[in-house]
Amino acid sequence: DAKTTQPPSMDCAEGRAANLPCNHSTISGNEYVYWYRQIHSQGPQYIIHGLKNNETNEMASLIITEDRKSSTLILPHATLRDTAVYYCIVRNTGNQFYFGTGTSLTVIP
Amino acid sequence: DTEVTQTPKHLVMGMTNKKSLKCEQHMGHRAMYWYKQKAKKPPELMFVYSYEKLSINESVPSRFSPECPNSSLLNLHLHALQPEDSALYLCASRLRLPNTGELFFGEGSRLTVL
Repeated sequence: DAKTTQPPSMDCAEGRAANLPCNHSTISGNEYVYWYRQIHSQGPQYIIHGLKNNETNEMASLIITEDRKSSTLILPHATLRDTAVYYCIVRNTGNQFYFGTGTSLTVIP
Repeated sequence: DTEVTQTPKHLVMGMTNKKSLKCEQHMGHRAMYWYKQKAKKPPELMFVYSYEKLSINESVPSRFSPECPNSSLLNLHLHALQPEDSALYLCASRLRLPNTGELFFGEGSRLTVL
């Protein structure tokens, strides 16, 4: 099963784009990449997911490299409410969602 | 209704107690999950139910006993727990088919074992 690695923490200025990287070098062809965030100790909140094409929704964009070994979550205009722990997750073909260690993003005024 | 509801929100129990955590969803999801999250750690997968049948048990100790009595309800029965089992227990659900959807999480049940 693919594991993910993420930097433990990042800062981003309010209004700027936040780019959060994730490595999943052992991902296999049918495994999806998901991103969630968690604020304090609330339940994780879904952000976006993809297989191999880049994806965009109202919250974020997901860029997946052509070899699928890494991805980047982009929050285009970070606000203070985006301060949270962001998790990159690989869902395997057995429908198991394994969380990475997460990146604690702090948006600075 | 796009909610996963977990009760109780907080639970304190002794090591000899028997208690249960409850999770409910009315989105027609047929896959339900239990995760355990210790402080400052990512959620760890415990169990997965698919169409009310246990499909994945991540080698969880038997003092945790899951139950899925119907497609909307998921329970986690707790017995003879240890203080190190204190954690936030998260329930999640998703559509089983098509097999491309996301997990919807509840707000969790915070368990303290004395």
